[in-house]
Amino acid sequence: DADVTQTPRNRITKTGKRIMLECSQTKGHDRMYWYRQDPGLGLRLIYYSFDVKDINKGEISDGYSVSRQAQAKFSLSLESAIPNQTALYFCATTEEGAGDNEQFFGPGTRLTVL
Amino acid sequence: SQKIEQNSEALNIQEGKTATLTCNYTNYSPAYLQWYRQDPGRGPVFLLLIRENEKEKRKERLKVTFDTTLKQSLFHITASQPADSATYLCAALYNFNKFYFGSGTKLNVKP
Repeated sequence: DADVTQTPRNRITKTGKRIMLECSQTKGHDRMYWYRQDPGLGLRLIYYSFDVKDINKGEISDGYSVSRQAQAKFSLSLESAIPNQTALYFCATTEEGAGDNEQFFGPGTRLTVL
Repeated sequence: SQKIEQNSEALNIQEGKTATLTCNYTNYSPAYLQWYRQDPGRGPVFLLLIRENEKEKRKERLKVTFDTTLKQSLFHITASQPADSATYLCAALYNFNKFYFGSGTKLNVKP
């Protein structure tokens, strides 16, 4: 089984709809991240969380919100989706102070907002 | 905010040659730089890390350097193989909490 899973893998929605992307991890890591990837722009950090009670904004948090329901679960919500939120979204985890601070990524969610 | 820049043009090389990819950062040095490999439709996979106080790191056919004067990291793949074809991402960690990624460089290794 994959260490970091994301659901759904693909989603097409309409402008104005509320969307939730979910991420679960079995690695027991404290830290979780949400990124979006756009062609030519690379990965940009949306939100990150160091534990259940610690949520922080990243570079591009406007239009997004998150919830850390448990150590293993970190959800990203688009309250009112707009077309420029069409992108590939990745969740990642890492363990504080562990070796190379390697990030483990999920398989991604491809979101299309019409 | 910090900017991490990678060459957006694809790098095409012949099998057996050494591939060299560049990552440049602006402003102050990150605590460390990481390199990831990303295949189409998949999440990035960690390859190697180098810390600010290190000049060079090696792992099998991979080598990474960190030059704080040039504000640059170079990533080398020696004896490249077609299976090395992928997009390679550079990521910089600042304040031990935020990662900034470059846009990646696509490597094509031709047999």
